Amino acid sequence: DAGITQSPRHKVTETGTPVTLRCHQTENHRYMYWYRQDPGHGLRLIHYSYGVKDTDKGEVSDGYSVSRSKTEDFLLTLESATSSQTSVYFCAISAGLAPGELFFGEGSRLTVL
Amino acid sequence: EDQVTQSPEALRLQEGESSSLNCSYTVSGLRGLFWYRQDPGKGPEFLFTLYSAGEEKEKERLKATLTKKESFLHITAPKPEDSATYLCAVHETSGSRLTFGEGTQLTVNP
Repeated sequence: DAGITQSPRHKVTETGTPVTLRCHQTENHRYMYWYRQDPGHGLRLIHYSYGVKDTDKGEVSDGYSVSRSKTEDFLLTLESATSSQTSVYFCAISAGLAPGELFFGEGSRLTVL
Repeated sequence: EDQVTQSPEALRLQEGESSSLNCSYTVSGLRGLFWYRQDPGKGPEFLFTLYSAGEEKEKERLKATLTKKESFLHITAPKPEDSATYLCAVHETSGSRLTFGEGTQLTVNP
């Protein structure tokens, strides 16, 4: 168990409202990631962080921002949610020997009406 | 552009019926290929890392193999608890991110 907690696990919101998803880890790993998973697309990287206040964009970053003010917390914010952002969001940490050995959280299911 | 294609999309097996899942990829240079298992409503769980053609990894009833263009996940005498979606991902030498396939949904009937 890599000690990753995502919150909320489920959220329903309306178009245009802001939404923040939180990822908390207990093991001080440097790299943290936010992915979204959609049918027909697989897992796609939104943003990642390689340290406190060090973040970078992934392949589907438009409409999303992130912040990491503490090692243990990585926040994903949708400033103005749209229906296309309805998805399951996964946080992951890199805790293995290789960069691709990720440990994922349980996911946050977001529905934007 | 990196591409990862998994086949079949879905596979139904009877308990004890061995089979293989395929992950084909096109990258300019492979840094690593990774297999994950995902149960419904859960996050993916890391299974294996493969680095170079000819490499094999085993865990219980699963064996992953790698060639220059594809990887196979062989499932020997599967049990119902092996039912899950299996994902593969590749990490290119010149890139910093993983590219995931869409997965194969495996169902093993008792």
